[in-house]
Amino acid sequence: NAGVTQTPKFQVLKTGQSMTLQCAQDMNHNSMYWYRQDPGMGLRLIYYSASEGTTDKGEVPNGYNVSRLNKREFSLRLESAAPSQTSVYFCASSEAPWYEQFFGPGTRLTVL
Amino acid sequence: EDKVVQSPLSLVVHEGDTVTLNCSYEVTNFRSLLWYKQEKKAPTFLFMLTSSGIEKKSGRLSSILDKKELSSILNITATQTGDSAIYLCAVEAPGAQKLVFGQGTRLTINP
Repeated sequence: NAGVTQTPKFQVLKTGQSMTLQCAQDMNHNSMYWYRQDPGMGLRLIYYSASEGTTDKGEVPNGYNVSRLNKREFSLRLESAAPSQTSVYFCASSEAPWYEQFFGPGTRLTVL
Repeated sequence: EDKVVQSPLSLVVHEGDTVTLNCSYEVTNFRSLLWYKQEKKAPTFLFMLTSSGIEKKSGRLSSILDKKELSSILNITATQTGDSAIYLCAVEAPGAQKLVFGQGTRLTINP
């Protein structure tokens, strides 16, 4: 089992460009999450999907959109990238919101 | 608003020392508290503490939940350089359907 996979691993964008971060899990988990991690800030929740067919805003949703494509896949889209979105992005999944979350390897995004 | 605070933010010790990391929370209707270890990449799960299980131990690592003080500690004894990492605390509340993470404690073990 691959667990949680994310693509790409690294990305450099120019201000105003758009891109989609992909996440997939093969653990048959119901819940999926997108976080960003900045130095000294811990993990901040961007969006989450408690179950297939639902998505909700987290702590820092501005500038992002998500799609829960199916039970396995949860994508994060930046419509018009800004330098403030330079960060490391982690996708995670869990069997249910009250269970431990399993994290993907992360995507390091730089916006120039 | 739910809040999780960890202390210290950074800690440097020598190999063999014992360390205690702290996590305090302000969460309505607390259900569980989780500890993660993050080395160079993704966080990996260490412990989950709930109202029905307030102490967990695995090798040199142990964690205790103090429901009265709304806090938890993570102890690491006989530290090794491989324990160097960021340790993250997160809390889940019923109905929240998500975890709230603290800022993390960066632990550095010098040989």
